[in-house]
Amino acid sequence: AQSVTQLDSQVPVFEEAPVELRCNYSSSVSVYLFWYVQYPNQGLQLLLKYLSGSTLVKGINGFEAEFNKSQTSFHLRKPSVHISDTAEYFCAVSPRGSNYKLTFGKGTLLTVNP
Amino acid sequence: NAGVTQTPKFRILKIGQSMTLQCAQDMNHNYMYWYRQDPGMGLKLIYYSVGAGITDKGEVPNGYNVSRSTTEDFPLRLELAAPSQTSVYFCASSYSLDPDREDTDTQYFGPGTRLTVL
Repeated sequence: AQSVTQLDSQVPVFEEAPVELRCNYSSSVSVYLFWYVQYPNQGLQLLLKYLSGSTLVKGINGFEAEFNKSQTSFHLRKPSVHISDTAEYFCAVSPRGSNYKLTFGKGTLLTVNP
Repeated sequence: NAGVTQTPKFRILKIGQSMTLQCAQDMNHNYMYWYRQDPGMGLKLIYYSVGAGITDKGEVPNGYNVSRSTTEDFPLRLELAAPSQTSVYFCASSYSLDPDREDTDTQYFGPGTRLTVL
């Protein structure tokens, strides 16, 4: 079984500031890692994913994340946020090759203030 | 492609009523899923299907039933609705077993159904 911990339930930042949303996972097997974004009253949209290869993954809207196997982390970063980035962000993990066992974190609400 | 579609968007039920949440996908995905999302709790898997005719329970299946008669459709049935089933329900789909597909092993979500049981 695997688990995901998103260390911050809420992250308030000012517009144009950098942001990091933290995600740690636990698993006894190799994993795939995902970040999803959910805008108010909408479904989940895939932001980026790590399946294999380079540990630095670039996603949509200027976000990137780095897979760190030794620290079992997959933190999400953006160098300069916009008001439109205000949303809830979910980290998720699945065993490699078993995407149907996707486990989500509880989410981090990013609020970007002017 | 429409992706994953869900109907209805909103529904209010009385305790004890039944209903079916509809989900369809047009991406030729073999896997489909139902999740519920409660505030501050993330998403919990209710049921999933690895192909037509094959379904299995997830983490929170009690009070729900599913069927998968076609690749495209995966309806979720609520029997005897209870206030504890008040939630937002998301359907998702994915494709597995083909490493050459860009979307392999990645779940794509519908817009959700907001259900209130009073």
